[in-house]
Amino acid sequence: NAGVMQNPRHLVRRRGQEARLRCSPMKGHSHVYWYRQLPEEGLKFMVYLQKENIIDESGMPKERFSAEFPKEGPSILRIQQVVRGDSAAYFCASSPGQALSYNEQFFGPGTRLTVL
Amino acid sequence: SQQGEEDPQALSIQEGENATMNCSYKTSINNLQWYRQNSGRGLVHLILIRSNEREKHSGRLRVTLDTSKKSSSLLITASRAADTASYFCATPSSGNTPLVFGKGTRLSVIA
Repeated sequence: NAGVMQNPRHLVRRRGQEARLRCSPMKGHSHVYWYRQLPEEGLKFMVYLQKENIIDESGMPKERFSAEFPKEGPSILRIQQVVRGDSAAYFCASSPGQALSYNEQFFGPGTRLTVL
Repeated sequence: SQQGEEDPQALSIQEGENATMNCSYKTSINNLQWYRQNSGRGLVHLILIRSNEREKHSGRLRVTLDTSKKSSSLLITASRAADTASYFCATPSSGNTPLVFGKGTRLSVIA
C-alpha cells in the first residue's frame, strides 16, 4: 500500500516560469491538503480539496496559485509566473475522509521548489 | 494565526536521556497531533490524542494533553541518535479541517 506520492521531488524554475507539483494520495483517500514550508518554519496550510471540489482555499495566495483534484489522476498545485519568494518545500497530505472525525493526515515526501 | 507553539525551539540532549517538548494552542480542539520531520524529508505522524484523553503512549513516546491549560507535551524516553529531527504539534483549525502547525522543536540527540 503505497503512501502519498509527490513528484517531482525537486524542481528548479526561473522567475516567470510555471511550476506544476503533483500529488497522488494514498489508496482510498479522497481528501487532499497542500501545505508550504519555508526554511526553519512549520507547515502553512494552503488548500484542501476533495475529488473535483475545492473545499477550503483560505491559505492560497490570491494570484498565481491554483489547485485541482480531478476525478481521475493526481492533485496538481500550479504556480504561475514564479518569483523567488515561492521557493519552499510543498507538502501534500491525504486523509480517508470525514467519516473518521479525527483527521489523521498522511504526508508525502514533499517537492522542493527553487526559483532562480 | 499560529495555533500550536512548540517550546523549546531547540533541544540538545545526550543519547539515553529523555526529551520533553511542549505545545500550547489557542482555541478549542477535538484532537492534537504530533509529527516528526527529519531534515529535508516529509512529515511522519507520531501520535494523535483526542480532547477527551489525558495521556497516550506509543512505544517510547508519551503524550499528555491538558485542555484546561490548552497545552500538550511529548516525551521521548531513552532517546537515540535516530530521534534527531524536528517535532511539530498540529491541531485541526476546526472539526475535520486542515491542520495548523507550530514552528517545531529541533531535537538533537548526541551519541
